[in-house]
Amino acid sequence: DGGITQSPKYLFRKEGQNVTLSCEQNLNHDAMYWYRQDPGQGLRLIYYSQIVNDFQKGDIAEGYSVSREKKESFPLTVTSAQKNPTAFYLCASIPRDRYNYGYTFGSGTRLTVV
Amino acid sequence: SQQGEEDPQALSIQEGENATMNCSYKTSINNLQWYRQNSGRGLVHLILIRSNEREKHSGRLRVTLDTSKKSSSLLITASRAADTASYFCATEAAGNKLTFGGGTRVLVKP
Repeated sequence: DGGITQSPKYLFRKEGQNVTLSCEQNLNHDAMYWYRQDPGQGLRLIYYSQIVNDFQKGDIAEGYSVSREKKESFPLTVTSAQKNPTAFYLCASIPRDRYNYGYTFGSGTRLTVV
Repeated sequence: SQQGEEDPQALSIQEGENATMNCSYKTSINNLQWYRQNSGRGLVHLILIRSNEREKHSGRLRVTLDTSKKSSSLLITASRAADTASYFCATEAAGNKLTFGGGTRVLVKP
């Protein structure tokens, strides 16, 4: 079955460390997105990529970095510059013909700073 | 920035009743989408309504869109305990970005 796989499901980070969250899709979707969700709140856009080797900052990109070397993969690095990284991170994708489809989401990674 | 705002923030109903939640947004959109999120899980797409559409149905779901008022509503008819979840509206405008509201938490009591 096609879908989006996010790993790990839970991640613990010490202060000052960089950590990388994985997002892989086998849907042949062109665009991929990273969102952050804080408890009881909606999703905020971190970064997105419409095609391979290209990506744009979202509303809260500071302290995060991404790469898009392959169509299937869009990893997110949470750097030590992100002052409050504890949150639920969601990856999503959508095909080129986006006007008839909603976004497909992964099951998320819960990041906790210890 | 939050484009959409849902109302109410929380809703508690009995099984079999209808649940209605509203979404308001600020700028012109290409489409508006509704998603469901069970606790601690990813989001599931429910329905998409384009800016030139006024109403759409999918099973027990009915969505309306009023672009003059920049608002949408989601109606879940004959609710079930399995409908307990958070529901989010999201708008897609130029730039191909989806912007979410804060969500409505729905509790369906058996």
